[in-house]
Amino acid sequence: NAGVTQTPKFQVLKTGQSMTLQCAQDMNHEYMSWYRQDPGMGLRLIHYSVGAGITDQGEVPNGYNVSRSTTEDFPLRLLSAAPSQTSVYFCASSYQETQYFGPGTRLLVL
Amino acid sequence: GDSVTQMEGPVTLSEEAFLTINCTYTATGYPSLFWYVQYPGEGLQLLLKATKADDKGSNKGFEATYRKETTSFHLEKGSVQVSDSAVYFCALTQWGNTPLVFGKGTRLSVIA
Repeated sequence: NAGVTQTPKFQVLKTGQSMTLQCAQDMNHEYMSWYRQDPGMGLRLIHYSVGAGITDQGEVPNGYNVSRSTTEDFPLRLLSAAPSQTSVYFCASSYQETQYFGPGTRLLVL
Repeated sequence: GDSVTQMEGPVTLSEEAFLTINCTYTATGYPSLFWYVQYPGEGLQLLLKATKADDKGSNKGFEATYRKETTSFHLEKGSVQVSDSAVYFCALTQWGNTPLVFGKGTRLSVIA
């Protein structure tokens, strides 16, 4: 099992550009989520999904879109990047209350 | 809403010292409690968990006891190693597969 994979590992964007952060898991977990990690702020939930076709907002959803067309994939879209979205992004899947995290995507928005 | 408060770091200890990282929570009902660890350059991984009052979670020499009366879940280790240097997060979830609520993290540095 590869677990939870994320691509890219690092990305630089200009303000206003769009991009998609990819997340995939091969553990057949129904629940997946996206977090951002900022210094001194811990992890904050952006969006989550309890299964294919179902998504919901977390604590900081503004500026981000998600979709869940398959159990395996849960991409995070930035439609118009802003410097405030500079962060490290983690995707996770969950089974029986335990969350399994990907290695993260470090995003810099100039 | 639910929240988790953990001691601010950074914490710097000498090898073989005793470690305590305090964690308290505010939640309705009976949450499950977790400690996650993040090693440099990696994602988070589960360290230990406890699902009901008075449960003790343990792993890799770390322990934490679910104390409902004090709403606490303090992380302890009797003798830390340099390899324990990481950021430690306390977290809770209410039931099943619902979003985790994290504390802000505590950075631990262990020096030889």
